[in-house]
Amino acid sequence: SQQGEEDPQALSIQEGENATMNCSYKTSINNLQWYRQNSGRGLVHLILIRSNEREKHSGRLRVTLDTSKKSSSLLITASRAADTASYFCATDEVDYKLSFGAGTTVTVRA
Amino acid sequence: EAGVAQSPRYKIIEKRQSVAFWCNPISGHATLYWYQQILGQGPKLLIQFQNNGVVDDSQLPKDRFSAERLKGVDSTLKIQPAKLEDSAVYLCASSLDGSNTGELFFGEGSRLTVL
Repeated sequence: SQQGEEDPQALSIQEGENATMNCSYKTSINNLQWYRQNSGRGLVHLILIRSNEREKHSGRLRVTLDTSKKSSSLLITASRAADTASYFCATDEVDYKLSFGAGTTVTVRA
Repeated sequence: EAGVAQSPRYKIIEKRQSVAFWCNPISGHATLYWYQQILGQGPKLLIQFQNNGVVDDSQLPKDRFSAERLKGVDSTLKIQPAKLEDSAVYLCASSLDGSNTGELFFGEGSRLTVL
């Protein structure tokens, strides 16, 4: 069963704008990961944030984690057409096994 | 560094037929995963191997799905007989140590259509 839940399900933005998506989960975690999936391709790891971290940056990506609210957010700044993809959060809530949410589909319009 | 290799990329079969998917993980990765991804959903873990032993197969429909990982390297996932609801992308992934705290590396997937 899927654990993390992404919100919104879909997002459409103009090139150059920022895109923000959220992930909520139910129980305690050791870490949370974000992955990207381009259409028809496999998933690519973007970033991992541990439960004792609050914020992490990687290039144009910024991830936050609020363990008190059991939520995380992924911010993509200055979006590009190549950022068009589905984004998934993955948590290790259940027996330390990695579970994926249903994803947020991001469309970046030129 | 070569990535996770999967084949075939696409397969179309009729219900009740059988199909097999193959995966070659990144060299040196001890842990191998098979995920099922139905259209519009996130990946769901079917089975996890640590070297050539099964760590978790709780969500594998064992009446029709089987998987093996010989010599702790390559793996095959078989479906026999296939049902319409098995139409999905089957993703293979590997990780270095399988502690579930590290990054997973995914292959491109094998898209199965059952008619």
